[in-house]
Amino acid sequence: AQKVTQAQTEISVVEKEDVTLDCVYETRDTTYYLFWYKQPPSGELVFLIRRNSFDEQNEISGRYSWNFQKSTSSFNFTITASQVVDSAVYFCALSEISLQGAQKLVFGQGTRLTINP
Amino acid sequence: DTEVTQTPKHLVMGMTNKKSLKCEQHMGHRAMYWYKQKAKKPPELMFVYSYEKLSINESVPSRFSPECPNSSLLNLHLHALQPEDSALYLCASSQETVPSPGNTIYFGEGSWLTVV
Repeated sequence: AQKVTQAQTEISVVEKEDVTLDCVYETRDTTYYLFWYKQPPSGELVFLIRRNSFDEQNEISGRYSWNFQKSTSSFNFTITASQVVDSAVYFCALSEISLQGAQKLVFGQGTRLTINP
Repeated sequence: DTEVTQTPKHLVMGMTNKKSLKCEQHMGHRAMYWYKQKAKKPPELMFVYSYEKLSINESVPSRFSPECPNSSLLNLHLHALQPEDSALYLCASSQETVPSPGNTIYFGEGSWLTVV
């Protein structure tokens, strides 16, 4: 079965610090996709990134970067020079096609990130 | 701003009430989803509609009744709910030209439901 583990329940840092959110996944599929979503207090899940299993290049988008390592089944997310607006719950998710033939996301438990001024 | 729009943003209903949550997207997506999220938990899939046909029902109680009137709209009809059904209900959509784990799923802002 697919499984995503986000071991860090809560992280609190001071503004401008770098912070890394961990994500470890389990899958028997050879082709799979991983996602990160951000959920601010308003509730909306904001899509951040999608990564497929064949692309092991790290990704950088502004202050955000992602480190995908198939050897350790990890897809970690780093925020550089954190800002108060980065405060949110962050979810890592693994995508699968169900037996009924539709796509579903398997989420980790989420990491609540608090950036203090 | 999200392109998946949900109404109402907040809903308080009694256990004998009948209400509906509405979701709309204009991205031409052909798959639409309802997820339920309890406090401090990840979202859990409830229903999936693909090309306006129900393709997944994750053993959701019949007091939740989904409806997909057309490719842009998704409703969730609520009847005789229990207080434990209080949660954030998230609608989402994806392009899904063909079912693929690589389709990006886009979420709305959610509807906060409180059952009293």
